[in-house]
Amino acid sequence: QVQLQESGPGLVKPSGTLSLTCAVSGGSISSSNWWSWVRQPPGKGLEWIGEIYHSGSTNYNPSLKSRVTISVDKSKNQFSLKLTSVTAADTAVYYCAIRPLGGVSFYGMHVWGQGTTVTVSS
Amino acid sequence: EIVMTQSPATLSVSPGERATLSCRASQSVSSNLAWYQQKRGQAPRLLIYGASTRATGIPARFSGSGSGTEFTLTISSLQSEDFAVYYCQQYNNWPPVLTFGGGTKVEIK
Repeated sequence: QVQLQESGPGLVKPSGTLSLTCAVSGGSISSSNWWSWVRQPPGKGLEWIGEIYHSGSTNYNPSLKSRVTISVDKSKNQFSLKLTSVTAADTAVYYCAIRPLGGVSFYGMHVWGQGTTVTVSS
Repeated sequence: EIVMTQSPATLSVSPGERATLSCRASQSVSSNLAWYQQKRGQAPRLLIYGASTRATGIPARFSGSGSGTEFTLTISSLQSEDFAVYYCQQYNNWPPVLTFGGGTKVEIK
């Protein structure tokens, strides 16, 4: 069973860069999956940030695209999120998740990390 | 951009009763829709994908239906562990974008 674990600083200063990593265990990041990031501001709903395939192909939420970079490190079996120019509105629980490759079919996100809280504050 | 609208925002149901949750897409998403359950302090859990296929280990009391723009999640007989927030999510093939609905909170009546 594949497991995901997010890690990174819990506090980021305004205008700074949020950087998180998701470690993959129990499976290979080179498998047929999209590796995704989702966030949830306090008391609010879920927001899809973006995803990456092991080939390096990425898809991003248009509302965040100018500030987001998702990358993959096959040697470490992990993928990462960078979000630049952060503000208090970026304060959220950040989850990594797996979406199986499905071509035109959609299989949902069937494995999630436990989430990590990031607060943007000076 | 496809917008997903869930209703109602809150649903009050007694244990053992049926719960019906709705999700509407601003344009057709075919059957590319998933439902998730999220309990307080936990990560979301996939319930349904492909609009009507239960994910592994999901009890048969959860069922999904619909296609195009109108979708429904039905919980046939609510158990105590089912009180949670439920989200729908769509997948658009091109451009590849995933969008969540705003959620429906199912609470004890």
